[in-house]
Amino acid sequence: NAGVTQTPKFRVLKTGQSMTLLCAQDMNHEYMYWYRQDPGMGLRLIHYSVGEGTTAKGEVPDGYNVSRLKKQNFLLGLESAAPSQTSVYFCASGQGNDQETQYFGPGTRLLVL
Amino acid sequence: AQSVSQHNHHVILSEAASLELGCNYSYGGTVNLFWYVQYPGQHLQLLLKYFSGDPLVKGIKGFEAEFIKSKFSFNLRKPSVQWSDTAEYFCAVRAGSYIPTFGRGTSLIVHP
Repeated sequence: NAGVTQTPKFRVLKTGQSMTLLCAQDMNHEYMYWYRQDPGMGLRLIHYSVGEGTTAKGEVPDGYNVSRLKKQNFLLGLESAAPSQTSVYFCASGQGNDQETQYFGPGTRLLVL
Repeated sequence: AQSVSQHNHHVILSEAASLELGCNYSYGGTVNLFWYVQYPGQHLQLLLKYFSGDPLVKGIKGFEAEFIKSKFSFNLRKPSVQWSDTAEYFCAVRAGSYIPTFGRGTSLIVHP
């Protein structure tokens, strides 16, 4: 039982390049989330999904797209990376009920030059 | 919309000192409350949570938090900190929907 895993762990991009971050969970959770963590800003929700095939915008969705084609996977895409997207990205999952606790992945550190 | 305030952004303590980190939220209805911890280089882990019942919640590693509904607060406490408690601490609130809101975090440094 690996919990929540993220790939890659670290990536350097040039401005304008695209990339996809992969999040996978093996706990059969309905809800999945993508956050970014920046110094002094805490965790900010980018997008989330309440089930396979559904996605919704969070607090800071601009510049990102997501897909949840399979229940266990939640992809975060950057179509044209910008230096402002330099951050640490965390994926999380949860049961989606009133007793939900979120389980976080190890994070992806992204540097956009 | 719900919001969460963590007033202490940086806290520096000596080992064995007592700790209290503040967390206030803005929502008048039923809430679920969480404290997560992020050790250096690691991902967030749940410290403790409050859903209902006894407002004094005990978590892992000797931490506890008290839900005071009249003050909209859920402060985290530990009577005697250790060097290994050096980490970033996040308060989170879920109200209404299942999407929690996180505070900006408090960085705790414990020196020997």
